[in-house]
Parts: sequence; C-alpha cells; structure tokens
Amino acid sequence: AQSVTQLGSHVSVSEGALVLLRCNYSSSVPPYLFWYVQYPNQGLQLLLKYTSAATLVKGINGFEAEFKKSETSFHLTKPSAHMSDAAEYFCAVSVRQGGSEKLVFGKGMKLTVNP
Amino acid sequence: DGGITQSPKYLFRKEGQNVTLSCEQNLNHDAMYWYRQDPGQGLRLIYYSQIVNDFQKGDIAEGYSVSREKKESFPLTVTSAQKNPTAFYLCASIDRASNQPQHFGDGTRLSIL
Repeated sequence: AQSVTQLGSHVSVSEGALVLLRCNYSSSVPPYLFWYVQYPNQGLQLLLKYTSAATLVKGINGFEAEFKKSETSFHLTKPSAHMSDAAEYFCAVSVRQGGSEKLVFGKGMKLTVNP
Repeated sequence: DGGITQSPKYLFRKEGQNVTLSCEQNLNHDAMYWYRQDPGQGLRLIYYSQIVNDFQKGDIAEGYSVSREKKESFPLTVTSAQKNPTAFYLCASIDRASNQPQHFGDGTRLSIL
C-alpha cells in the first residue's frame, strides 16, 4: 500500500536559511507525489507535484523538490527562508485504484521561521 | 472565480446532535472528498465520491454519512455516533479526466459544546 512518512513534526529555521523538509514514500507503482502548504485555519494549497516527468520539480514561492527513486524520497527545499513561509507542509502520494483517485498524506511538518 | 466553498467556517455542536457540513464546488469536478484533520495526524479520508449518486467509505467513515445528489454538492453529516467529532474538516475535489491535483476548500472547524 502507498504511504508517506514525514519524520518529526516541527522544524525551525532562521530567516534567510535553507529550508529542508523531508518526505519518504512507499509505493508499489510509479508514484504521483505532491507537496501542499497550509496556513492557519485555511485549506491546503498546492506547492508542487511530481508526475513522472522531470525529477526536479519547481513550485510556487521558490520551493522545489527532487524525486529520488533510489532513496524513495521527495524532499522539499527552498534556498532562503522568508517569514511568510511559516506554515504547515504536507507531503502526499496519489493512490489510483479502479478509476478512483485518493491522496494519502503524511502527518505534516510545521515550519517556524525566526527573524 | 471557480472554487470550493465550505460553510460554515466555525460550527458548534451539542453532545448527541447531528450536524451537517456544507461543501459546494463550481469547478465542474467529478470527484469530491472529505478529510478530517487533527493536530499531528495529517489528513485522513472520511468519504469520497467519484460520480453523482455514488460514494465510498474512506479510512475513518464510522460516525459520518454523506450524500451526492448533485455534482456540485457533497455534504457531510457528523452523527451522534462519532465519539470525538472536534476537528478541522476539509473538502476537496478533482477533475478525474485531467492530471490536476486535488483542489481544497478553506475548511470547517467543528467544536463540541
């Protein structure tokens, strides 16, 4: 069964520092992978998606993620954190069965950006 | 602009009462989903519907019910059988024919009085 692991629940970085949020997946078929961001009391907004094209995927707000099949990873990075990046981030894998599509989410990672 | 509207934003329920959360989309999407979000647990799938008049249980369907009488609407009822209903509920939709990801509403926060 497909699953996603986000180790830890919180990460704190200084403004201007590198942001690295880790995601490992388990999938028996080539996966579709997603990163979503959630600001307090709001829904989820798509940051980027991997759908078996380029392994380095660029998203919104300067984020990018690299699909590494050998490591079953899809880590999210941003070279320089901004205060507005403080939010919760979710990695998800798409599960397609019999014509239906579902998303399986990791537990999320809360990012704090310190001035 | 097209999107998903969840209402109300905040909802309070007394013990033993059923309550219905609204989800409406004008994106002409076929499939709709309900998720429950609890701190530190990510999003868990409650119910989903691929087409009108059809829906399937997700991972945590007990204590919940849904209907899909219209393409644009997918209401979720939290019944009195749901022992711990306090959570943030998110509705999502997707066009199954496209390769686009799920589109989310802004959520409803349900609290028990």
